[in-house]
Amino acid sequence: QQQVKQSPQSLIVQKGGISIINCAYENTAFDYFPWYQQFPGKGPALLIAIRPDVSEKKEGRFTISFNKSAKQFSLHIMDSQPGDSATYFCAAPTGGGNKLTFGTGTQLKVEL
Amino acid sequence: GAVVSQHPSRVICKSGTSVKIECRSLDFQATTMFWYRQFPKQSLMLMATSNEGSKATYEQGVEKDKFLINHASLTLSTLTVTSAHPEDSSFYICSARLGGGWMEPQHFGDGTRLSIL
Repeated sequence: QQQVKQSPQSLIVQKGGISIINCAYENTAFDYFPWYQQFPGKGPALLIAIRPDVSEKKEGRFTISFNKSAKQFSLHIMDSQPGDSATYFCAAPTGGGNKLTFGTGTQLKVEL
Repeated sequence: GAVVSQHPSRVICKSGTSVKIECRSLDFQATTMFWYRQFPKQSLMLMATSNEGSKATYEQGVEKDKFLINHASLTLSTLTVTSAHPEDSSFYICSARLGGGWMEPQHFGDGTRLSIL
């Protein structure tokens, strides 16, 4: 059974700063690692995902970095804004790639 | 695009009641739908995977007779919590995926807050 370790559990960043969240997975034959953003009382929303054969994916202020040899990937949020305050989950494929195992979540708070 | 609607958003009912939750993909046909359970400040725990027209596959430890899943069409899956008890109180979230490929993203509904008195 895939396990995904996510850190930190919570994070406070000043407005304009960089937020960094890290995840480590055990094993997967499928290099697809999505990040989800969840606001209180809502379902998770796909934020950004990285696919095979690339070590970095950037979309606006959000960047995923992927280190296959270390089995780690991270989310960087540049110029963090108060509206980014939410819980972030990483995920890794499991069950033959048909399912996702989610990390434990990181509660991000961006202060003014 | 890729909108998933979940209904109801909140349910409060008495112990022993059965509760049905609907999950609909509004603008795409979902080959696969997933049901998750989330406790406060915790991660999403997969309960079951359902494919249209076939029986759901439950995760270890999830009682299939307690949590009935039906995926009758490519746009609708339902979860019925039978004879609900206070320990079943939780946030239930569905997701839908367009195809069976492992790189297809899962799109989530906004969840159902179930409270059993």
